[in-house]
Amino acid sequence: EDKVVQSPLSLVVHEGDTVTLNCSYEVTNFRSLLWYKQEKKAPTFLFMLTSSGIEKKSGRLSSILDKKELSSILNITATQTGDSAIYLCAVWFQGAQKLVFGQGTRLTINP
Amino acid sequence: DTAVSQTPKYLVTQMGNDKSIKCEQNLGHDTMYWYKQDSKKFLKIMFSYNNKELIINETVPNRFSPKSPDKAHLNLHINSLELGDSAVYFCASSQDWLPSYEQYFGPGTRLTVT
Repeated sequence: EDKVVQSPLSLVVHEGDTVTLNCSYEVTNFRSLLWYKQEKKAPTFLFMLTSSGIEKKSGRLSSILDKKELSSILNITATQTGDSAIYLCAVWFQGAQKLVFGQGTRLTINP
Repeated sequence: DTAVSQTPKYLVTQMGNDKSIKCEQNLGHDTMYWYKQDSKKFLKIMFSYNNKELIINETVPNRFSPKSPDKAHLNLHINSLELGDSAVYFCASSQDWLPSYEQYFGPGTRLTVT
C-alpha cells in the first residue's frame, strides 16, 4: 500500500537552531513530493520536488529529494518563532491519482 | 481576494442531522478536492472533481455526497451525521489533476457532532 511516513512527529528547539525534518515514502510509481506548512488553519504550499527538480530553496527553507532512498528532507536554518507549525509531506501516487499525506511533524520554536 | 474559501468556518450540530459545507475558488482552477483532517492531523482525500466530473471517490460512507455545480464550486453534503464525522474538512483546488500542480487549501470547516 502507498505510504508516507514523517519523522520526528514532534520537535522542540530554540530560536536560531537549524532543524531537519524527514519524509519517507513507499510508492509504486512516484511522480512528485510536496511540502506544506500548516499553522492554525489551511496548509500552505512550500515546495514541490520531482525527478527533474530534486532540490528547492526559498530563504531559510530548503528541501532535497533522494529518489534512491525514497525520502526527502526539509531544512530550516536560523529558525524563528514564526516557523512553529505542523509541516506536512505529501506524495503523488500515479496509480491512485491522488496526494497521500504523512502524519506531519509538529515543530515548536521557543524564544 | 481569497483564493479558496469555505463556509461555514465552524459547524456544531447534533447526531442525525444533515449539514452542508460550501467551497468556492477564484483561481480559475479545473480541479477541486475535499479532504478530512482528523484529531491526529492526518489529511485524507475524500473526493476529487475535475471540470465538474468526479475523479476520485475514496472509501467514504454514502452519507457524504459532493456536488459541483460549476468548476469554481464544490459543496459537501453530509446526511445523518455521526460522532465520528467530527473533524476539520478542507477544500482544495489545483490547476489540473496532474501531479505537476500543487494544491491550494481553503481555511477549513471545523465540524463538531454532539
